[in-house]
Amino acid sequence: AQTVTQSQPEMSVQEAETVTLSCTYDTSENNYYLFWYKQPPSRQMILVIRQEAYKQQNATENRFSVNFQKAAKSFSLKISDSQLGDTAMYFCAFMKHTWGGSQGNLIFGKGTKLSVKP
Amino acid sequence: EAGVTQFPSHSVIEKGQTVTLRCDPISGHDNLYWYRRVMGKEIKFLLHFVKESKQDESGMPNNRFLAERTGGTYSTLKVQPAELEDSGVYFCASSQLAASEKLFFGSGTQLSVL
Repeated sequence: AQTVTQSQPEMSVQEAETVTLSCTYDTSENNYYLFWYKQPPSRQMILVIRQEAYKQQNATENRFSVNFQKAAKSFSLKISDSQLGDTAMYFCAFMKHTWGGSQGNLIFGKGTKLSVKP
Repeated sequence: EAGVTQFPSHSVIEKGQTVTLRCDPISGHDNLYWYRRVMGKEIKFLLHFVKESKQDESGMPNNRFLAERTGGTYSTLKVQPAELEDSGVYFCASSQLAASEKLFFGSGTQLSVL
């Protein structure tokens, strides 16, 4: 069975600085997807960034980037130039890839509550 | 384009009562998922519809939970009778069949069972 671990329940960062959120996972699968989701106070889960396991290049979306270490089963999220609007719960998630398309069964970590301070 | 919408946003009920949660997916999305986050724990998968059929219901906790998706459009999740441990946030998500790893989530329903 797959598991996702986020070892930092809470973190804080000063506005404009950089912060890294940790995520490790355990799986025997070779093909899968990894995600970071953001849940602001509005509660809607928003996809921040997505990584396919077969791609060695780390995914980047504007100020958000990941450090994907497949052998170490690590998938950390780096937020550069933090903004007040980045304050949210951040969830790391895993999805197994199956032939014909993924099945949408996401496995989540417990989340990291990030506070960006002015 | 409207996103995934869930009703109600909050529900407070007493133990033993029945509650029905509703999810309207993005128009044209064949895949619909229900997830739940109990306080302090991980968000857990409950079940997956493809159109009106249940593709995977391995995450449903027990037979007090009934999910339906008549006509393959909106879905309901009924809890009957509700127990204290059912409290949490219930999320719905949808995706297109061709790119089902890209899930779009709703804002969830906060259920409190007293």
